[in-house]
Amino acid sequence: AQSVTQLDSHVSVSEGTPVLLRCNYSSSYSPSLFWYVQHPNKGLQLLLKYTSAATLVKGINGFEAEFKKSETSFHLTKPSAHMSDAAEYFCVVTSPRGYGGSQGNLIFGKGTKLSVKP
Amino acid sequence: GAGVSQSPSNKVTEKGKDVELRCDPISGHTALYWYRQSLGQGLEFLIYFQGNSAPDKSGLPSDRFSAERTGGSVSTLTIQRTQQEDSAVYLCASSLRGWGANNEQFFGPGTRLTVL
Repeated sequence: AQSVTQLDSHVSVSEGTPVLLRCNYSSSYSPSLFWYVQHPNKGLQLLLKYTSAATLVKGINGFEAEFKKSETSFHLTKPSAHMSDAAEYFCVVTSPRGYGGSQGNLIFGKGTKLSVKP
Repeated sequence: GAGVSQSPSNKVTEKGKDVELRCDPISGHTALYWYRQSLGQGLEFLIYFQGNSAPDKSGLPSDRFSAERTGGSVSTLTIQRTQQEDSAVYLCASSLRGWGANNEQFFGPGTRLTVL
């Protein structure tokens, strides 16, 4: 079975400082991992995805994430926070449809709210 | 082009009433998904439509929940005899093809359902 744990429900940073949003996953098979962002009153938007290619994945808006199999982690980082980054971020895991009975559906973490202070 | 749209954006109903939530996917997308986002619960998968195949209903929480997709496009999620625990944001997504890591799901803005 697949699961994902976002270690912080809320992270607060100052504008211009680094962002770290932590995510650990559990998967019986080679997972695919995603980060989605949800701005207030807007739909979920894909930030980046890992699908067994390069372990360091670059996404939109300067975000990146590194897949570390030994640590079962997929933390999201950004070198310098911007006010517009304030949103809720979701770490998502899936596995190929049909593997071990998986439906191949997206399994979402509970989200991390990022606040950016001026 | 237009993204995924959902209507209504907000719905307030009384316990016991039926509600219908609508989703218009991106034109040409063959796959459509419904999720529920409850406070403190994250997102949970409800149902998945792919082309003309039988839908994957494995995420529906009870038989009060049902969904249709007419003509391979618009979908309606129906909740019968609503309960207060049904209060949540219902999200719809579509993708060009079906399940798979390379088929990005595009999400609508959601319908916020409040059951009094």
